[in-house]
Amino acid sequence: QQQVKQSPQSLIVQKGGISIINCAYENTAFDYFPWYQQFPGKGPALLIAIRPDVSEKKEGRFTISFNKSAKQFSLHIMDSQPGDSATYFCAAEQGSRLTFGEGTQLTVNP
Amino acid sequence: GAGVSQSPSNKVTEKGKDVELRCDPISGHTALYWYRQSLGQGLEFLIYFQGNSAPDKSGLPSDRFSAERTGGSVSTLTIQRTQQEDSAVYLCASSFRGGSYEQYFGPGTRLTVT
Repeated sequence: QQQVKQSPQSLIVQKGGISIINCAYENTAFDYFPWYQQFPGKGPALLIAIRPDVSEKKEGRFTISFNKSAKQFSLHIMDSQPGDSATYFCAAEQGSRLTFGEGTQLTVNP
Repeated sequence: GAGVSQSPSNKVTEKGKDVELRCDPISGHTALYWYRQSLGQGLEFLIYFQGNSAPDKSGLPSDRFSAERTGGSVSTLTIQRTQQEDSAVYLCASSFRGGSYEQYFGPGTRLTVT
């Protein structure tokens, strides 16, 4: 059962553009929502995370928007750079268990 | 400081053989996790350790999979009688403690079952 659905599967943006990745979840018991960035051959690394009592969190060029009633959250990457090209995973946690989305492969063209 | 390390980085094995994958977490991290990442897929939770005990092993796909953690540190994931569908990257992560603490991932072990 896929409890976290992520879209799009792949995304191509131009340098300086905004990258937007969306996730939706079903389990209302999830209480922590991190985003991970993964480069080829590497393990994922935490990018930014949010709790459901907050509607938005911003760290530098990265922003999470969270809509608790719609059970959706999204990652916005402002001023996207070629170095941001990677696979991005949303996740949701219940207890100590993370459930991951399927991933979005982002390509930022120079 | 040192991050999470995993060994081997690559493992090719024949169908039916047993394999052991090792994870060395960050020193002082009490929580340890194993995930499986199939080609082009997201991460699939396998098991969570808090100290040496595994309060959540519900993600293990079959009884061919087992894991242990000793001394609150190193963990070994064992797959018995490997099948081709076991081919994947096995990732280990550790965190200061369980529950909403950042999980730090190792580089993974790429397992290929021929």
